[in-house]
Amino acid sequence: QVQLQESGPGLVKPSETLSLTCTVSGGSISNNYWSWIRQPAGKGLEWVGRISASGSTNLNPSLKSRVSMSVDTSKNQFSLSLSSVTAADTAVYYCARGGSYNNYWGQGTLVTVSS
Amino acid sequence: EIVLTQSPGTLSLSPGERATLSCRASQSVSSSYLVWYQQKPGQAPRLLIYGASSRATGIPDRFSGSGSGTDFTLTISRLEPEDFAVYYCQQYGSLPLTFGPGTKVGIK
Repeated sequence: QVQLQESGPGLVKPSETLSLTCTVSGGSISNNYWSWIRQPAGKGLEWVGRISASGSTNLNPSLKSRVSMSVDTSKNQFSLSLSSVTAADTAVYYCARGGSYNNYWGQGTLVTVSS
Repeated sequence: EIVLTQSPGTLSLSPGERATLSCRASQSVSSSYLVWYQQKPGQAPRLLIYGASSRATGIPDRFSGSGSGTDFTLTISRLEPEDFAVYYCQQYGSLPLTFGPGTKVGIK
C-alpha cells in the first residue's frame, strides 16, 4: 500500500520561502507523476502543480513565478518550494500520487504564514 | 483555464435517500477527463470516480458518475451515514487542473 507523508515547517514568516517534502513509502517514486494540492481552512482545493519522476514539472500559472518542485528518486521523495509567501498561502498542503488525478494522498500538513 | 461550478452548494438529505450532485464546466472537458472526490473533515480527499463514470478501487456501487462535455453528475443511490461529506469534481483534460468549489451533503 502506497503511503505519502508531508514534512516541513508549520510556520513560515511573510516574504520567506515555504519548503515541504513528501516521502513516499510502499512503492517506488519512479514511473509516476506526483502532485501538490493545497486547501485553505474551510475552503476548496487548489492544484499547485505536478512533477514526473524524471523531474519534468507543470505548475499552476497563478503560482508559477513563485513555485518550484524537485524529485529525489534515491530517497523516494519529492519537494515543493513556494517563495515570497503571504497570509494567502496559509493552507493545508497535500502531496499525492498521480499527475492527472490522485488516488493516494498524504494526510496533509498545515502551513501558516505569520510573523 | 476551465472553471468548474458545482450545484447545489449544500444538499440536506436523510440516510437512504438519493443524492444528485452536478458539476458544470465553462468549456468542454476533453475525453470526459473528470473525477469526483469525497472529503470528510480533517481528512484528505478520497478518489471516487475517474473518467467521469469509472469507480475507483474499493468504491461501493451506490456511487455512480455520468456526463460528458460540460455537464457531469455524481449520484449516490442510497445515502449511508458515512456518505455525509463534501464532494469535489476536478477536470484533468487541460492544464491547469481545476477543482469545483464543492457540494456539502449534510444530514437533514
